[in-house]
Amino acid sequence: EPEVTQTPSHQVTQMGQEVILRCVPISNHLYFYWYRQILGQKVEFLVSFYNNEISEKSEIFDDQFSVERPDGSNFTLKIRSTKLEDSAMYFCASSDSGGGSYNEQFFGPGTRLTVL
Amino acid sequence: QKEVEQNSGPLSVPEGAIASLNCTYSDRVSQSFFWYRQYSGKSPELIMSIYSNGDKEDGRFTAQLNKASQYVSLLIRDSQPSDSATYLCAVRGQNFVFGPGTRLSVLP
Repeated sequence: EPEVTQTPSHQVTQMGQEVILRCVPISNHLYFYWYRQILGQKVEFLVSFYNNEISEKSEIFDDQFSVERPDGSNFTLKIRSTKLEDSAMYFCASSDSGGGSYNEQFFGPGTRLTVL
Repeated sequence: QKEVEQNSGPLSVPEGAIASLNCTYSDRVSQSFFWYRQYSGKSPELIMSIYSNGDKEDGRFTAQLNKASQYVSLLIRDSQPSDSATYLCAVRGQNFVFGPGTRLSVLP
């Protein structure tokens, strides 16, 4: 069964460093998403991406964050100058349909980011 | 601020019983509704989606939607210990918003 994959599973970085989190969405999906979940808190939407551009983003997704689809398979989240509060689990998701009524999203296993 | 509310639990039910999980949402233009299951330390796993008022059944799971009351629920019949997890309600309106989740514990 096709699945979303993410690498690395755990990333440790120093405050102020840049990190890139990688995702490979399900191959025939066209819509891609990033979420974060701070330990013990709810899943929070960051950004959605379609047709090589951001379609929606939340207030959390500020200038510190960027997304890219550098090739036909990978979808990346870059966090510039990480802060302690960026420590969280970051989930990538993909779906074969976007807005409107049908938007079943399938999640990857997540990358745990720890900022020291 | 568009909100999705759930009782945090824990909701404890005996094995074989029906577990009832509830969710309310504030965005009246919400179009689609989802239930995810999340085991501790794992990613959300899609269980059900529902788009129209009424009931939708899939195996032991039944989702119920009442848009007038802005309410969606999930029933789990014949609950098993393996159903013990946090159940997340997610609502698609302008954005995709998750509730805080209800922790379910099924006791053998």
